[in-house]
Amino acid sequence: DTGVSQDPRHKITKRGQNVTFRCDPISEHNRLYWYRQTLGQGPEFLTYFQNEAQLEKSRLLSDRFSAERPKGSFSTLEIQRTEQGDSAMYLCASSLRGAEAFFGQGTRLTVV
Amino acid sequence: GIQVEQSPPDLILQEGANSTLRCNFSDSVNNLQWFHQNPWGQLINLFYIPSGTKQNGRLSATTVATERYSLLYISSSQTTDSGVYFCAVQTGANNLFFGTGTRLTVIP
Repeated sequence: DTGVSQDPRHKITKRGQNVTFRCDPISEHNRLYWYRQTLGQGPEFLTYFQNEAQLEKSRLLSDRFSAERPKGSFSTLEIQRTEQGDSAMYLCASSLRGAEAFFGQGTRLTVV
Repeated sequence: GIQVEQSPPDLILQEGANSTLRCNFSDSVNNLQWFHQNPWGQLINLFYIPSGTKQNGRLSATTVATERYSLLYISSSQTTDSGVYFCAVQTGANNLFFGTGTRLTVIP
């Protein structure tokens, strides 16, 4: 197992476009988390899944954001009608039953 | 929600010096992790330490859960130790809450 994998690593998009990011967790990890990090700040929680169920969503996750984890394996995070304020690093993490969490390399989004 | 405060916010060291980073949290936790964020943005796991003391090479960490703080010690610092160090805590079955980090710069 090579750890948590995120794709793409970088994404530049025009304002108003939709983007989708993918996260492949460590196999057998039942929890998957999405975080957002802006420059100079710590990661901020967006949402998490236990298996395929989305158990918690932050108020940062506006109605333009949607996350899925079909079949409890990989997850996707979609942002519709992107805004410049969405520019950030999007981080995915996984853990086994809420124990030690491991992060992917992140997807850096730039909205122009 | 739980508050996580890290100090100092910035630290500049000469190569070879030792340092202590602190993480205070406002509530009981069942998980505490220390991370090093590299220049490319990836969070590297340093310690999973809800309580007690652990050591890994030049790094060690201590968490005193009853007093709600954790310390990360870096000895004989190297330029490759530069970066941002984050403490993150988890309460109950919830997600990890991150502190604002300590930015460490080690100069040769």
